[in-house]
Amino acid sequence: NAGVTQTPKFQVLKTGQSMTLQCAQDMNHEYMSWYRQDPGMGLRLIHYSVGAGITDQGEVPNGYNVSRSTTEDFPLRLLSAAPSQTSVYFCASSRQGGDTEAFFGQGTRLTVV
Amino acid sequence: AQSVTQPDIHITVSEGASLELRCNYSYGATPYLFWYVQSPGQGLQLLLKYFSGDTLVQGIKGFEAEFKRSQSSFNLRKPSVHWSDAAEYFCAVGGGGNKLTFGTGTQLKVEL
Repeated sequence: NAGVTQTPKFQVLKTGQSMTLQCAQDMNHEYMSWYRQDPGMGLRLIHYSVGAGITDQGEVPNGYNVSRSTTEDFPLRLLSAAPSQTSVYFCASSRQGGDTEAFFGQGTRLTVV
Repeated sequence: AQSVTQPDIHITVSEGASLELRCNYSYGATPYLFWYVQSPGQGLQLLLKYFSGDTLVQGIKGFEAEFKRSQSSFNLRKPSVHWSDAAEYFCAVGGGGNKLTFGTGTQLKVEL
């Protein structure tokens, strides 16, 4: 059982480049979300989804787009990367919101130069 | 808006000593509370969670936490720390739609 799989694990981008961080889960979870982790700031919610076709913004959504065409996948797009987006990105999924455990991927370490 | 405060950025304990990591939360209703652990270069693993009922909850790896509504706290404890417990610990409060609000984390160092 793979759980939550994120690709790539590491990425270096130049300012202005675009890329997509991939996230897939094989647990048939309805809820998926993206967080970024920065030193001294914990994890902050970027976007989340409560099911296929439904997404919403979190605490720090600017510069990021998401879509949810299937239950399994929840990609995060950076349209024009900026140095401020240098961070470690985590995808998470859960069976439902609120009172259930969120399962996290291993993270993608992104550096924008 | 919900928030979580972890006042200790770094904590160092000797192996075999007891441990308490502090967490204070702000939430408008009955909170869903979690403690996660992150080892270097890894994702987050759930240690324990509180939703309702008994205010003392047991988790994995010998950890426990106590919910105190009057103090808005959810402190994590372990009676005897092992060297393998060295990691970063995050307290989080849960909202609807898998929306977790995390504290800034406490880095635990264990001295042998």
